[in-house]
Amino acid sequence: DAKTTQPPSMDCAEGRAANLPCNHSTISGNEYVYWYRQIHSQGPQYIIHGLKNNETNEMASLIITEDRKSSTLILPHATLRDTAVYYCIVRPPHLQGAQKLVFGQGTRLTINP
Amino acid sequence: NAGVTQTPKFQVLKTGQSMTLQCAQDMNHNSMYWYRQDPGMGLRLIYYSASEGTTDKGEVPNGYNVSRLNKREFSLRLESAAPSQTSVYFCASRGTGMNTEAFFGQGTRLTVV
Repeated sequence: DAKTTQPPSMDCAEGRAANLPCNHSTISGNEYVYWYRQIHSQGPQYIIHGLKNNETNEMASLIITEDRKSSTLILPHATLRDTAVYYCIVRPPHLQGAQKLVFGQGTRLTINP
Repeated sequence: NAGVTQTPKFQVLKTGQSMTLQCAQDMNHNSMYWYRQDPGMGLRLIYYSASEGTTDKGEVPNGYNVSRLNKREFSLRLESAAPSQTSVYFCASRGTGMNTEAFFGQGTRLTVV
């Protein structure tokens, strides 16, 4: 799996958009970008994933650069409950079987009132 | 739908004791994973299983054994617990359909004294 690089921590004001960057310069053509988050000490929770097009769901938007070497997770109107550690992962599609699902250190996002 | 269930939720062991952490999923997923998370750190993969009867080492397998008992259950065994194994352990599962995000249990908090 391609390695990812994320800033260790970020702050954002409540109600503003939180933009979390991720670098994955060694990503392969068939590898997806996945985002998870971990609130306090709970189990991680899936947020969104994408291949090359931008994606949006009820939780967030994912912007992937045209060269696919980086992406940004956007939480459009951050709330205090969005305070969590956010993990960016890249991995091949499921058809290649079970892969090591490896998490990095993630970004600790703090939403301030 | 319970998702991924881990037992026990909390455990205190003495150095040298053995125990088995249990994990079960009811989503008919092929792949299952065990992670550990030390305080303030990211998730590290211990072992994973692509399907019933197969297991593979992750990033930090030393001191652990696993068993994929059937499609539902994936257990993690500590044969001789050490204080360095004090951690929170997470189990996860993932399917092979179109939506292949991983689902996590709520964790087992293990303290070895």
